[in-house]
Amino acid sequence: GQQLNQSPQSMFIQEGEDVSMNCTSSSIFNTWLWYKQDPGEGPVLLIALYKAGELTSNGRLTAQFGITRKDSFLNISASIPSDVGIYFCAGQGGSEKLVFGKGTKLTVNP
Amino acid sequence: NAGVTQTPKFQVLKTGQSMTLQCAQDMNHEYMSWYRQDPGMGLRLIHYSVGAGITDQGEVPNGYNVSRSTTEDFPLRLLSAAPSQTSVYFCASSLSWTGDKKGEKLFFGSGTQLSVL
Repeated sequence: GQQLNQSPQSMFIQEGEDVSMNCTSSSIFNTWLWYKQDPGEGPVLLIALYKAGELTSNGRLTAQFGITRKDSFLNISASIPSDVGIYFCAGQGGSEKLVFGKGTKLTVNP
Repeated sequence: NAGVTQTPKFQVLKTGQSMTLQCAQDMNHEYMSWYRQDPGMGLRLIHYSVGAGITDQGEVPNGYNVSRSTTEDFPLRLLSAAPSQTSVYFCASSLSWTGDKKGEKLFFGSGTQLSVL
């Protein structure tokens, strides 16, 4: 089945730093999604991408749909303590089932 | 709106016991699904339903049963709990699962943490 490789697995950064994470796949996806999970809660959608090359922002978050349709990137600028959580990428291709990456756990030190 | 409500929040079972995890949504969503989340494994789809009376298997269905008798409810049943089913379980729903923007409106519940001893 389709699989996503999400990296890095974890990040420890200082408040104010920028963050980058990415997902890659051997399969082509039609949709890329980025979710954030706060501790003890379910994931919440941050950004949805539907077109190769698309660059979309949501506040300090920016995500891109890779040109090859096999990857996506999420950047967080000027991190703050409430950015702490697990970030998941998710992709959807021909199988029509949403496939999730294994997550990037972000820790922000004040 | 309450959104997606899961109960219980925490549960401890002994091996071999059965139980049902409850999930209810009040958004009139057609699509409902169950995921399990394990450390380092991300979210894996257990079962899903595209409407009342219709269910299908996901990536890891073994040991779990589901039914969808109403639009609102999608319970997950463990018939004989095993330690391998220790996990955090999430129910998620979406208005529909057709068209291009399938994942855009997937709403998750707050999860059930299950321990099987």
